[in-house]
Amino acid sequence: GQNIDQPTEMTATEGAIVQINCTYQTSGFNGLFWYQQHAGEAPTFLSYNVLDGLEEKGRFSSFLSRSKGYSYLLLKELQMKDSASYLCAVRKYSGAGSYQLTFGKGTKLSVIP
Amino acid sequence: GAVVSQHPSWVICKSGTSVKIECRSLDFQATTMFWYRQFPKQSLMLMATSNEGSKATYEQGVEKDKFLINHASLTLSTLTVTSAHPEDSSFYICSARDSAAYPYEQYFGPGTRLTVT
Repeated sequence: GQNIDQPTEMTATEGAIVQINCTYQTSGFNGLFWYQQHAGEAPTFLSYNVLDGLEEKGRFSSFLSRSKGYSYLLLKELQMKDSASYLCAVRKYSGAGSYQLTFGKGTKLSVIP
Repeated sequence: GAVVSQHPSWVICKSGTSVKIECRSLDFQATTMFWYRQFPKQSLMLMATSNEGSKATYEQGVEKDKFLINHASLTLSTLTVTSAHPEDSSFYICSARDSAAYPYEQYFGPGTRLTVT
């Protein structure tokens, strides 16, 4: 199976920077995704890493270290609307063209004024 | 970006009845679609992987006779909850993988909130 760990909750101040960590253990690693999910809504795609390093996308950046089984999502210039759950998901290649995405339990981020 | 629709967005049904949920990829073909279930304050749990034209693959603990999946075309998959019970009340989310465009990400539908009374 796959073990994906991320903090349950975090709180940060509007305008600040927050880093959400994710560690994982898997075989057949084929990429790590970060999704944002507001309460009662479906997840929306934020970022994708398959090679080591940092991927930057506006206020959001994601980092991956495959050797350490570690990723983080960095949110800059926090806004109130960033209050949501952030899901780390690991994709595994199971062979014969079959991929599977497994989600962590999510980190609920609360942005306060 | 790619769009996945789900219908209905919410449904209330009586215990013992069946409910069908549709998932459509609107602007891309999806050979693979996934069905997830999410209980309050919990993460998404994969129920089954559906491949067009073949039987779905169910995760451990998911009853295939209770959760019927049909993926009859490259743009449509359906999930039927048969003989629904109150414990089946949950948020059901489908996603479709765009296998034609790297990084082959999964796009999620808006979800269907099922309440069984």
